[in-house]
Amino acid sequence: EAGVAQSPRYKIIEKRQSVAFWCNPISGHATLYWYQQILGQGPKLLIQFQNNGVVDDSQLPKDRFSAERLKGVDSTLKIQPAKLEDSAVYLCASSLGAGPSTDTQYFGPGTRLTVL
Amino acid sequence: AQKVTQAQTEISVVEKEDVTLDCVYETRDTTYYLFWYKQPPSGELVFLIRRNSFDEQNEISGRYSWNFQKSTSSFNFTITASQVVDSAVYFCALLAGDSWGKLQFGAGTQVVVTP
Repeated sequence: EAGVAQSPRYKIIEKRQSVAFWCNPISGHATLYWYQQILGQGPKLLIQFQNNGVVDDSQLPKDRFSAERLKGVDSTLKIQPAKLEDSAVYLCASSLGAGPSTDTQYFGPGTRLTVL
Repeated sequence: AQKVTQAQTEISVVEKEDVTLDCVYETRDTTYYLFWYKQPPSGELVFLIRRNSFDEQNEISGRYSWNFQKSTSSFNFTITASQVVDSAVYFCALLAGDSWGKLQFGAGTQVVVTP
């Protein structure tokens, strides 16, 4: 079974530029998550989708970050404009969406963003 | 509020030694879930185990074992007879509260296994 796919794997941009990341979850997984992992820290949830609806985006900096999952499958995370502090690894994860008693989140390889 | 503490920043061992990673969690919820993930240098987080709060049975999977103790709010992870391929950052994570999708991660413990 294919895992969570993400692209690109690496991205270098200048501050104030925009960037987009793409994620394709495991087939059949209803729930999709975007996490931000700053160097030396654990991942932090940015946004959670259940199918194409947002469940939790309380930690998403909405003035510059946006995300969508229009058809309930793949998803795009965008940063516009980027700041130096956005340099991090952006991880996408997915789970069946059956609820916390059984759900396990499986992660993709991540996109390493460097903002200069 | 939920919190996960991994006090060990880095542990260095020689191959074949055992290594134990500590994880202490905080939550007021009576139902919660604990996880361990491995992050090798490639960057992908690899799921290792999940534990439900009502199941305190310890678990062994090959060279890996986990010790869950609710009395001390700990969920420790031991690698027996470590190998170079075990070199990675290991994260403990907690799922609890109203936000059922929000995994609360610890800061991670870097394990370095040298030949």
